Amino acid sequence: QKEVEQDPGPLSVPEGAIVSLNCTYSNSAFQYFMWYRQYSRKGPELLMYTYSSGNKEDGRFTAQVDKSSKYISLFIRDSQPSDSATYLCAMSSNYGGATNKLIFGTGTLLAVQP
Amino acid sequence: GAVVSQHPSWVICKSGTSVKIECRSLDFQATTMFWYRQFPKQSLMLMATSNEGSKATYEQGVEKDKFLINHASLTLSTLTVTSAHPEDSSFYICSARGRQAAYNSPLHFGNGTRLTVT
Repeated sequence: QKEVEQDPGPLSVPEGAIVSLNCTYSNSAFQYFMWYRQYSRKGPELLMYTYSSGNKEDGRFTAQVDKSSKYISLFIRDSQPSDSATYLCAMSSNYGGATNKLIFGTGTLLAVQP
Repeated sequence: GAVVSQHPSWVICKSGTSVKIECRSLDFQATTMFWYRQFPKQSLMLMATSNEGSKATYEQGVEKDKFLINHASLTLSTLTVTSAHPEDSSFYICSARGRQAAYNSPLHFGNGTRLTVT
């Protein structure tokens, strides 16, 4: 079983739709959760960063973490064609000091149709 | 802030040759750099972690003699793919964590290098 599971998609939605992206994980030591957006042939760009359980909102993006269920979500409101990209979840624990590693999901390919 | 620059963005080389990829932190001192590889439609796989002035730590299954990492300064790390073969063709991405950053801080990534070995 992978430490982080993410549906690879592709997910196709019409412009203006609410998008829900999800990841599950198995390592209860994970406490820091991130969502990255990656356009084709580019490096990942940090979208959201959350600690432990709860919600965080930033513009059209909302990140949710449910540690009891080991489940995290990213919601995109009023989706735009420019949101079309691969969305990667990533997480880490407290261990390792400065070399603390991120563990990534496989990424979900999102296509927002105009 | 936290800009990471990677060069070249795209390189084609012949089988058996070596290729060097540079990763620079432009506006901060990167004490730790991470090198990832990404195959098409797959996630980022960590190859190695390098700390300035010390040897890199490689992940299981990554050949340290094939993927040479040098982190000689606080703003530059290099990955050299030695004796490259077609199966080494991939997207290589670096990321960095600064001296002042907490160990749990999110990573900032370069724009990646697409390597094609013919």
